[in-house]
Amino acid sequence: DVKVTQSSRYLVKRTGEKVFLECVQDMDHENMFWYRQDPGLGLRLIYFSYDVKMKEKGDIPEGYSVSREKKERFSLILESASTNQTSMYLCASSLVRVRSYEQYFGPGTRLTVT
Amino acid sequence: RKEVEQDPGPFNVPEGATVAFNCTYSNSASQSFFWYRQDCRKEPKLLMSVYSSGNEDGRFTAQLNRASQYISLLIRDSKLSDSATYLCVVNTLNSGYSTLTFGKGTMLLVSP
Repeated sequence: DVKVTQSSRYLVKRTGEKVFLECVQDMDHENMFWYRQDPGLGLRLIYFSYDVKMKEKGDIPEGYSVSREKKERFSLILESASTNQTSMYLCASSLVRVRSYEQYFGPGTRLTVT
Repeated sequence: RKEVEQDPGPFNVPEGATVAFNCTYSNSASQSFFWYRQDCRKEPKLLMSVYSSGNEDGRFTAQLNRASQYISLLIRDSKLSDSATYLCVVNTLNSGYSTLTFGKGTMLLVSP
């Protein structure tokens, strides 16, 4: 079974703090994704990566950056957390490069910024 | 511009009922289509892919109408465990790469 793990299930940070969310997958998937999910807005893509050291902006990249130094690990960084970044953050991975097949999700990190 | 639209529900049905969800998508170039299921406070999980010819997996049937840009999911003989949010998902080209665009989901509540 594919396993995608995220470093924390719940996180509380203060406004202005730098926040790191870590995601690790154990199935040698090339593709990794970061989403946020908010009530009434659904899942929105923040950043994605199709290879080590490669990153592409998704639909809502503002206020976020990412790092992919190793194939199995994809980090989401909030340089200066703000209250409007309070959300559920979901990491996902998938295998196929050209067509997006099944994405496997981690359990999510519920981030609260106070 | 809403790329993937779904009725948010909730759909309240009794056990054993048949229920259908619909979804429309705006990008005529989309090639891959899926239904994901998301339980409360859990991550989304793939329920089934949707093929042009339609496909069935047990009590679940998915249909695709490319001309109308419309996808459907039919659940027969609903179980209490079917209660969840069902996400319609299509692929989208993003910076030349294919990514998935998720609908906001349709909530299903199956009651005894």
